[in-house]
Amino acid sequence: GAVVSQHPSRVICKSGTSVKIECRSLDFQATTMFWYRQFPKQSLMLMATSNEGSKATYEQGVEKDKFLINHASLTLSTLTVTSAHPEDSSFYICSAGGGLSSGNTIYFGEGSWLTVV
Amino acid sequence: GQNIDQPTEMTATEGAIVQINCTYQTSGFNGLFWYQQHAGEAPTFLSYNVLDGLEEKGRFSSFLSRSKGYSYLLLKELQMKDSASYLCAVRPARGDKLIFGTGTRLQVFP
Repeated sequence: GAVVSQHPSRVICKSGTSVKIECRSLDFQATTMFWYRQFPKQSLMLMATSNEGSKATYEQGVEKDKFLINHASLTLSTLTVTSAHPEDSSFYICSAGGGLSSGNTIYFGEGSWLTVV
Repeated sequence: GQNIDQPTEMTATEGAIVQINCTYQTSGFNGLFWYQQHAGEAPTFLSYNVLDGLEEKGRFSSFLSRSKGYSYLLLKELQMKDSASYLCAVRPARGDKLIFGTGTRLQVFP
Protein backbone atom coordinates (compact mmCIF):
# COMPACT_ATOMS: atom_id res chain seq x y z
CA GLY A 1 0.00 0.00 0.00
CA ALA A 2 0.93 3.64 -0.10
CA VAL A 3 3.58 4.77 2.35
CA VAL A 4 4.92 8.11 3.45
CA SER A 5 8.50 8.20 4.62
CA GLN A 6 10.15 10.90 6.69
CA HIS A 7 13.83 11.58 7.27
CA PRO A 8 15.66 12.05 9.58
CA SER A 9 13.81 10.37 12.43
CA ARG A 10 15.91 12.20 15.00
CA VAL A 11 18.14 15.24 14.70
CA ILE A 12 20.01 17.35 17.18
CA CYS A 13 21.24 20.75 16.09
CA LYS A 14 22.85 23.79 17.61
CA SER A 15 20.88 26.91 18.27
CA GLY A 16 21.04 29.27 15.30
CA THR A 17 21.55 26.58 12.66
CA SER A 18 19.03 25.31 10.11
CA VAL A 19 17.63 21.81 9.83
CA LYS A 20 15.90 20.18 6.87
CA ILE A 21 13.33 17.42 7.22
CA GLU A 22 12.18 15.42 4.19
CA CYS A 23 8.82 13.84 3.54
CA ARG A 24 8.44 11.41 0.65
CA SER A 25 5.48 9.59 -0.78
CA LEU A 26 6.94 6.25 -1.80
CA ASP A 27 4.51 4.78 -4.32
CA PHE A 28 2.05 7.51 -5.09
CA GLN A 29 2.11 11.11 -6.18
CA ALA A 30 1.02 13.76 -3.73
CA THR A 31 0.17 17.22 -5.01
CA THR A 32 -0.35 18.32 -1.43
CA MET A 33 1.34 17.27 1.77
CA PHE A 34 0.83 18.56 5.27
CA TRP A 35 3.23 19.42 8.04
CA TYR A 36 2.30 19.12 11.71
CA ARG A 37 4.17 19.68 14.92
CA GLN A 38 3.48 18.04 18.22
CA PHE A 39 4.74 19.06 21.64
CA PRO A 40 4.95 16.45 24.40
CA LYS A 41 1.57 15.33 25.68
CA GLN A 42 -0.24 17.52 23.18
CA SER A 43 -2.06 16.85 19.95
CA LEU A 44 -0.93 17.48 16.40
CA MET A 45 -1.04 21.10 15.29
CA LEU A 46 -1.24 21.77 11.56
CA MET A 47 1.56 24.09 10.49
CA ALA A 48 1.15 24.34 6.74
CA THR A 49 -0.05 22.79 3.53
CA SER A 50 2.71 22.03 1.08
CA ASN A 51 1.61 22.53 -2.54
CA GLU A 52 3.56 20.99 -5.40
CA GLY A 53 4.89 23.66 -7.70
CA SER A 54 3.56 26.60 -5.72
CA LYS A 55 3.87 28.35 -2.38
CA ALA A 56 2.91 26.63 0.81
CA THR A 57 -0.16 27.74 2.71
CA TYR A 58 0.63 28.48 6.34
CA GLU A 59 -1.74 28.29 9.28
CA GLN A 60 -2.31 31.33 11.41
CA GLY A 61 0.55 32.00 13.77
CA VAL A 62 3.13 29.96 11.87
CA GLU A 63 6.10 32.01 10.65
CA LYS A 64 6.67 31.23 7.00
CA ASP A 65 10.18 32.70 7.03
CA LYS A 66 11.15 30.43 9.86
CA PHE A 67 9.57 27.24 8.58
CA LEU A 68 10.46 27.06 4.91
CA ILE A 69 8.52 24.52 2.89
CA ASN A 70 9.49 23.34 -0.55
CA HIS A 71 7.47 20.89 -2.62
CA ALA A 72 9.54 20.61 -5.76
CA SER A 73 8.25 17.26 -6.97
CA LEU A 74 5.13 15.14 -6.66
CA THR A 75 6.83 12.82 -4.19
CA LEU A 76 8.91 15.11 -2.00
CA SER A 77 8.22 17.95 0.40
CA THR A 78 10.84 19.45 2.68
CA LEU A 79 10.50 21.48 5.84
CA THR A 80 13.47 23.62 6.84
CA VAL A 81 13.55 25.05 10.32
CA THR A 82 15.74 28.12 9.99
CA SER A 83 17.75 29.70 12.77
CA ALA A 84 16.52 27.05 15.15
CA HIS A 85 15.99 27.83 18.82
CA PRO A 86 15.41 25.49 21.75
CA GLU A 87 11.68 26.31 21.68
CA ASP A 88 11.55 24.79 18.18
CA SER A 89 12.37 21.41 19.70
CA SER A 90 9.38 19.26 18.87
CA PHE A 91 8.07 16.25 16.97
CA TYR A 92 7.44 17.18 13.34
CA ILE A 93 5.29 14.92 11.20
CA CYS A 94 4.05 15.02 7.65
CA SER A 95 1.05 13.49 5.96
CA ALA A 96 -0.31 12.92 2.48
CA GLY A 97 -3.43 11.42 1.00
CA GLY A 98 -2.99 8.25 -0.95
CA GLY A 99 -5.08 9.44 -3.84
CA LEU A 100 -8.22 7.92 -5.32
CA SER A 101 -6.84 4.40 -5.24
CA SER A 102 -6.58 4.44 -1.46
CA GLY A 103 -10.02 5.86 -0.76
CA ASN A 104 -9.99 8.18 2.21
CA THR A 105 -6.77 6.98 3.71
CA ILE A 106 -4.35 9.67 4.84
CA TYR A 107 -0.86 8.44 5.50
CA PHE A 108 1.56 9.82 8.05
CA GLY A 109 5.31 9.77 7.97
CA GLU A 110 7.21 8.25 10.87
CA GLY A 111 7.85 11.67 12.36
CA SER A 112 11.05 13.56 13.11
CA TRP A 113 12.24 14.48 16.57
CA LEU A 114 14.10 17.78 16.55
CA THR A 115 16.17 18.80 19.54
CA VAL A 116 17.81 22.20 19.48
CA VAL A 117 20.63 22.64 21.99
CA GLY B 1 -12.88 29.00 14.08
CA GLN B 2 -12.14 25.33 14.47
CA ASN B 3 -12.79 23.59 17.76
CA ILE B 4 -12.45 19.88 18.41
CA ASP B 5 -12.74 18.69 22.00
CA GLN B 6 -11.94 15.40 23.67
CA PRO B 7 -11.41 14.41 27.29
CA THR B 8 -7.75 14.79 28.20
CA GLU B 9 -7.30 11.51 30.04
CA MET B 10 -9.22 8.32 30.68
CA THR B 11 -8.49 5.12 32.55
CA ALA B 12 -10.03 1.68 32.17
CA THR B 13 -9.48 -1.92 33.15
CA GLU B 14 -8.24 -4.72 30.94
CA GLY B 15 -11.16 -6.54 29.31
CA ALA B 16 -13.55 -3.63 29.80
CA ILE B 17 -15.20 -1.31 27.27
CA VAL B 18 -14.35 2.38 26.99
CA GLN B 19 -15.97 5.17 24.98
CA ILE B 20 -13.97 8.23 23.97
CA ASN B 21 -16.09 11.20 22.95
CA CYS B 22 -15.26 13.94 20.48
CA THR B 23 -17.27 17.08 19.79
CA TYR B 24 -16.44 19.40 16.96
CA GLN B 25 -17.30 22.80 15.53
CA THR B 26 -15.53 23.37 12.25
CA SER B 27 -15.93 25.65 9.24
CA GLY B 28 -16.89 22.65 7.12
CA PHE B 29 -17.16 18.89 7.37
CA ASN B 30 -15.95 16.24 4.99
CA GLY B 31 -15.28 13.32 7.31
CA LEU B 32 -13.99 12.45 10.75
CA PHE B 33 -11.02 10.24 11.52
CA TRP B 34 -9.82 8.45 14.63
CA TYR B 35 -6.15 7.71 15.10
CA GLN B 36 -4.18 5.86 17.74
CA GLN B 37 -0.80 7.22 18.72
CA HIS B 38 1.76 5.64 21.01
CA ALA B 39 4.25 8.00 22.61
CA GLY B 40 6.95 9.11 20.21
CA GLU B 41 5.39 7.40 17.21
CA ALA B 42 3.31 8.45 14.22
CA PRO B 43 -0.48 8.17 14.44
CA THR B 44 -2.03 5.03 13.02
CA PHE B 45 -5.41 5.04 11.34
CA LEU B 46 -8.32 3.46 13.20
CA SER B 47 -11.53 4.57 11.54
CA TYR B 48 -13.28 6.99 9.24
CA ASN B 49 -16.87 8.29 9.34
CA VAL B 50 -18.49 10.63 6.87
CA LEU B 51 -22.15 9.57 7.19
CA ASP B 52 -24.17 9.31 10.39
CA GLY B 53 -24.07 6.00 12.14
CA LEU B 54 -21.77 3.34 13.47
CA GLU B 55 -18.74 1.87 11.75
CA GLU B 56 -17.44 -1.35 13.29
CA LYS B 57 -13.98 -2.76 12.83
CA GLY B 58 -13.09 -5.63 15.11
CA ARG B 59 -12.69 -4.39 18.69
CA PHE B 60 -13.04 -0.77 17.56
CA SER B 61 -16.21 1.04 16.55
CA SER B 62 -16.77 4.67 15.71
CA PHE B 63 -20.02 6.61 15.69
CA LEU B 64 -20.89 9.91 14.05
CA SER B 65 -23.77 12.36 14.39
CA ARG B 66 -23.23 15.28 12.04
CA SER B 67 -26.24 17.23 13.31
CA LYS B 68 -24.81 17.14 16.82
CA GLY B 69 -21.17 17.61 15.83
CA TYR B 70 -20.38 14.50 17.82
CA SER B 71 -18.43 11.30 17.45
CA TYR B 72 -17.23 8.57 19.73
CA LEU B 73 -14.70 5.77 19.53
CA LEU B 74 -15.65 2.58 21.32
CA LEU B 75 -12.96 0.13 22.33
CA LYS B 76 -14.06 -3.32 23.47
CA GLU B 77 -12.18 -6.09 25.27
CA LEU B 78 -9.46 -3.69 26.26
CA GLN B 79 -5.89 -4.89 26.23
CA MET B 80 -2.84 -3.41 27.88
CA LYS B 81 -1.45 -2.50 24.45
CA ASP B 82 -4.45 -0.19 23.93
CA SER B 83 -2.83 2.27 26.34
CA ALA B 84 -2.13 5.15 23.99
CA SER B 85 -3.41 8.53 22.89
CA TYR B 86 -6.52 8.59 20.72
CA LEU B 87 -6.87 11.49 18.33
CA CYS B 88 -10.08 12.68 16.74
CA ALA B 89 -9.52 14.61 13.52
CA VAL B 90 -11.93 16.42 11.20
CA ARG B 91 -11.41 17.00 7.51
CA PRO B 92 -13.09 20.38 7.05
CA ALA B 93 -13.13 20.37 3.27
CA ARG B 94 -12.21 18.30 0.23
CA GLY B 95 -8.59 17.29 0.29
CA ASP B 96 -6.40 15.75 2.94
CA LYS B 97 -5.99 18.55 5.47
CA LEU B 98 -6.95 17.42 8.96
CA ILE B 99 -7.66 19.41 12.09
CA PHE B 100 -6.88 17.40 15.19
CA GLY B 101 -8.63 17.40 18.50
CA THR B 102 -6.85 17.74 21.79
CA GLY B 103 -6.30 13.98 22.05
CA THR B 104 -7.27 11.57 24.83
CA ARG B 105 -4.63 9.65 26.75
CA LEU B 106 -6.03 6.27 27.68
CA GLN B 107 -4.41 4.12 30.36
CA VAL B 108 -5.45 0.50 30.65
CA PHE B 109 -4.80 -1.17 34.00
CA PRO B 110 -4.64 -4.90 34.70
